[in-house]
Amino acid sequence: SQQGEEDPQALSIQEGENATMNCSYKTSINNLQWYRQNSGRGLVHLILIRSNEREKHSGRLRVTLDTSKKSSSLLITASRAADTASYFCATDGMDSSYKLIFGSGTRLLVRP
Amino acid sequence: SQTIHQWPATLVQPVGSPLSLECTVEGTSNPNLYWYRQAAGRGLQLLFYSVGIGQISSEVPQNLSASRPQDRQFILSSKKLLLSDSGFYLCAWTTGPPRAYGYTFGSGTRLTVV
Repeated sequence: SQQGEEDPQALSIQEGENATMNCSYKTSINNLQWYRQNSGRGLVHLILIRSNEREKHSGRLRVTLDTSKKSSSLLITASRAADTASYFCATDGMDSSYKLIFGSGTRLLVRP
Repeated sequence: SQTIHQWPATLVQPVGSPLSLECTVEGTSNPNLYWYRQAAGRGLQLLFYSVGIGQISSEVPQNLSASRPQDRQFILSSKKLLLSDSGFYLCAWTTGPPRAYGYTFGSGTRLTVV
């Protein structure tokens, strides 16, 4: 079963614009993570936010977490063509400390 | 530095044929190792994970199996492939629980069963 669900499924923006992707989940979590996947490649870990954190920054990335709404958002500022990829949120499964549950992802296209 | 190698990159196999995908990690000891499968346009499904040599946990019942013959080697196998086994297979490792550390993924194997 999927814990995280990203929204929108696909997003197309112009280079330089900001991109916002959302993730909703169903059960309580310890941490939430965001990953990026370039086409046909493995996933790359972007950022981890703990359940007691509300916001975290890493370069042009800003992640927020609202545990009361069971949602998170990933903001990419000043997007570049190289940001074109799929973005996934992942949450820990409460029944296993060795499993992360991934959503189906947001496909981001940044047009030059 | 730690690196993860996964091969082959692509594979086309007939239905009923065997499968062996290999993953190795360099630069670390006693990693936790994982096999995930990604269907087209979908999220990832955990297939197996291992916290040590010979220790394999299966998440999804299916005709796949996994083995860890060495500390940094993880193998995904099947005796007879099904059409439904097609997908993108990803190996990953962590130094501890992924909730705290996050995964480092290999580059993946695209398997097409025909």
